[in-house]
Amino acid sequence: DIQMTQSPSSLSASVGDRVTITCRASQNIGNYLNWYQQKPGKAPNLLIYVATSLQSGVPSRFSGSGSGTDFTLTISSLQPEDFATYYCQQSYNMPSITFGQGTRLDI
Amino acid sequence: QVELQESGPGLVKPSETLSLTCTVSDGSITSYYWSWIRQPPGKGLEWIGYISDSGTTDYNPSLKSRVTMSLGTSKSQFSLKLSSVTAADTAIYYCARSLPYYNQAGRGYYPNWFDPWGQGTLVTVSS
Repeated sequence: DIQMTQSPSSLSASVGDRVTITCRASQNIGNYLNWYQQKPGKAPNLLIYVATSLQSGVPSRFSGSGSGTDFTLTISSLQPEDFATYYCQQSYNMPSITFGQGTRLDI
Repeated sequence: QVELQESGPGLVKPSETLSLTCTVSDGSITSYYWSWIRQPPGKGLEWIGYISDSGTTDYNPSLKSRVTMSLGTSKSQFSLKLSSVTAADTAIYYCARSLPYYNQAGRGYYPNWFDPWGQGTLVTVSS
C-alpha cells in the first residue's frame, strides 16, 4: 500500500491566517491526489481533485499544489467555517485507495 | 443535484454479516463508479471498494476476503455485504460516487475522487 502522511496532525490558527497542510506519499503518485474537508458529524466534502483542480462551488481561497510525492493544501485567508479536519487521498495504486490520517484545524 | 442515502441495520452481532444499501436520489447509477468508505468513530477514513455501473468490482485487499458489493434490482441502488464482522468493523459507513478516470498505472478506468458522499450510517458490532 501507498502510505499517505499528513503534517501537521493538528493546527491552531486564527481567522484571516494563511494555512498550509502537507501530504506526502510513500512513492510517486503523479497527480492522483485529492483533498477533502470534514466537519463534525458530517461526511467529507471534496475540495481539490487531481492535486490542483478546485471542485465546483468550493471557495477560491482553497488551492492545491504538488505532484509526485509532495502535495500541499493552502487556505489563503481562514474563515470561521474552515475550521474542520482535512484529509488527502491517493488513487494511483488501485485497488488500494488510501487516505492520510487527517489534519485537525482549530481556532 | 444527486444525493446518496445509506440504509441498513445499526447493530450487527459479531461473526454475522453486515448489509447496507445506498440509494441514489436521481434514480440512476449509470456512467459512474460507486464506492463504500468507512470511518471508525473518531478515526480516519478507509476505502472498502467500488462497483461500476456494469457490476465490475474491486476491493481493498485488506478486506477483500469478506466484502461483496452488488447492484440493486432497481437502477438506483447498490449494496455492501461484509461478513464475519468483529468490533473492529464498528464504523460510520459512507457510500460515494466517482467518475471513471483513466489510471495510467493500472492501465484502466478506476475511481479517482469521491463526490458526492452520503450522510453516513453508524454500524455497531456488538452482542
